[in-house]
Amino acid sequence: AQKVTQAQTEISVVEKEDVTLDCVYETRDTTYYLFWYKQPPSGELVFLIRRNSFDEQNEISGRYSWNFQKSTSSFNFTITASQVVDSAVYFCALTYTGGFKTIFGAGTRLFVKA
Amino acid sequence: GAVVSQHPSRVICKSGTSVKIECRSLDFQATTMFWYRQFPKQSLMLMATSNEGSKATYEQGVEKDKFLINHASLTLSTLTVTSAHPEDSSFYICSARVGGFNSNQPQHFGDGTRLSIL
Repeated sequence: AQKVTQAQTEISVVEKEDVTLDCVYETRDTTYYLFWYKQPPSGELVFLIRRNSFDEQNEISGRYSWNFQKSTSSFNFTITASQVVDSAVYFCALTYTGGFKTIFGAGTRLFVKA
Repeated sequence: GAVVSQHPSRVICKSGTSVKIECRSLDFQATTMFWYRQFPKQSLMLMATSNEGSKATYEQGVEKDKFLINHASLTLSTLTVTSAHPEDSSFYICSARVGGFNSNQPQHFGDGTRLSIL
């Protein structure tokens, strides 16, 4: 079965704090793709990153970084020096090659207070 | 690049009305588009996969006759909520991937349609 678990429903931090959003996935496919999307209050989904199952290199993009660990089936997302504009719901997603469908985690709502 | 446009952004209508939502890929061809539904404070639930020139593939539990999908061209898919009732009120989002059904590219999402049935 394919599954994405985001155990943190809501996180609240103060501006400039670092915050890590957890994502644990399950799949039997050996080839799969992991994604993070941001959904601000306006509702649109914004693509942040894609990782394929053969690339465990961590990635950094500005204040954002991602830690992919196949051994623990996790794909965690860290925001460094958070800002109010980071307040949004963040979804982790898995596309599995068995069906090429994408399933989403439940999302983590991040509140960044000034 | 890879822009998906969804229209309308918001609909408020009376119970019994049928509502059509359009999803267009503006700068790429999308042989496959996806329709999702999102309830407040919940995740995206895949409703159906829309395939250009053929019938849509619906997820289990989604009524085909209630949610009609038409994908008549490589850049346009439409979702029609037929005889909508208050329980159909939700946020509907479409998406498309560059490269088609078996592409590993990220999905690009429309801005969503907030449907409210009175």
